[in-house]
Amino acid sequence: SQTIHQWPATLVQPVGSPLSLECTVEGTSNPNLYWYRQAAGRGLQLLFYSVGIGQISSEVPQNLSASRPQDRQFILSSKKLLLSDSGFYLCAWSEDRYTEAFFGQGTRLTVV
Amino acid sequence: GENVEQHPSTLSVQEGDSAVIKCTYSDSASNYFPWYKQELGKGPQLIIDIRSNVGEKKDQRIAVTLNKTAKHFSLHITETQPEDSAVYFCAASLAAGNKLTFGGGTRVLVKP
Repeated sequence: SQTIHQWPATLVQPVGSPLSLECTVEGTSNPNLYWYRQAAGRGLQLLFYSVGIGQISSEVPQNLSASRPQDRQFILSSKKLLLSDSGFYLCAWSEDRYTEAFFGQGTRLTVV
Repeated sequence: GENVEQHPSTLSVQEGDSAVIKCTYSDSASNYFPWYKQELGKGPQLIIDIRSNVGEKKDQRIAVTLNKTAKHFSLHITETQPEDSAVYFCAASLAAGNKLTFGGGTRVLVKP
């Protein structure tokens, strides 16, 4: 069966520091991968999605970037964090565009 | 782009009663409508979904209805139990696995 791993679960980082969140999927190949952000008490906003290695689409302009160095690995990064980057970051995958999307357990990022 | 509105934002029900959450969407091309349940500190979990060629779908105590003409869909939970307490999100997309646009979420509290 397929599983998605996302780490770390929680992270506290100072303003101006770099960020790297990692997500990996097991049990499938060439999945669609997504990064969402959830602000406190609000819905989920799509940040990036990828349909293949090296293929990244950005949905909103921001201080973050994403990369997909391997088929089942999706990384969310920032060179310098802002206070406004705080939130709950969720990675998701789907087998292809016609199957359901499944979420990881999320990373709670607090920028101080 | 797509816009999804979800109501109510909070819902308190007595154990055993029914709960109904409603969502409207703006893009008539959307044809996939999933519902996710998110427990505190965890990632959203898909609980039921419906495609535009179906008007209603049921899975035990959970049912979803879709009215494509009016562009709205609803989640119905019958015989609510305390473990149904969570935040529920509706979403819409052009296809399963495609980019999801989420509603703002409904916090459901089932009182014993």
